[in-house]
Amino acid sequence: DAGVIQSPRHEVTEMGQEVTLRCKPISGHDYLFWYRQTMMRGLELLIYFNNNVPIDDSGMPEDRFSAKMPNASFSTLKIQPSEPRDSAVYFCASSLGRYYYGYTFGSGTRLTVV
Amino acid sequence: KNEVEQSPQNLTAQEGEFITINCSYSVGISALHWLQQHPGGGIVSLFMLSSGKKKHGRLIATINIQEKHSSLHITASHPRDSAVYICAVRWGSQGNLIFGKGTKLSVKP
Repeated sequence: DAGVIQSPRHEVTEMGQEVTLRCKPISGHDYLFWYRQTMMRGLELLIYFNNNVPIDDSGMPEDRFSAKMPNASFSTLKIQPSEPRDSAVYFCASSLGRYYYGYTFGSGTRLTVV
Repeated sequence: KNEVEQSPQNLTAQEGEFITINCSYSVGISALHWLQQHPGGGIVSLFMLSSGKKKHGRLIATINIQEKHSSLHITASHPRDSAVYICAVRWGSQGNLIFGKGTKLSVKP
């Protein structure tokens, strides 16, 4: 298994532009998580899905952020419009079952908004 | 207030030393994770535990649910152990993870 695959690895964009981050979870995993990591706040949960359904999006900072999971093998996190304070590393993770067996992170997307 | 506190924040050790990283939390939890993040940025799940002790190679993780405390030990440390070690606790009906801010470990040869 190739693990959790995120793309792109790096993204540099101008303020105001739309940014889309992509994630392919491990096949068979039924939970998918989006996290953001910054120096100031560490790792924060943004949203997570169970069987493609969003369960808790209380960590999404504001309406500029949205996430979808149209099927079991793909999820996107979109920021529109992007702002410099959105600069961070965004991680996707997936797991099997509610008790996080096989909890696996992707390599992350480093986003820089200038 | 961060509900998961790690100490120390930074740790420098000589190769071969025994290392302990601590994690304290303030909420009732159902499980605790130890994660490792290398300088390249990738995050690896080391342990998930809800009681007692787990061992994998030179790494040992313990948890005391009553005292709301966990420790990660590294025996015979090596420069390749240099990384940020993150404690995360799972709580609540949905099982969300709350993360500590990490302990940056640097092992010198």
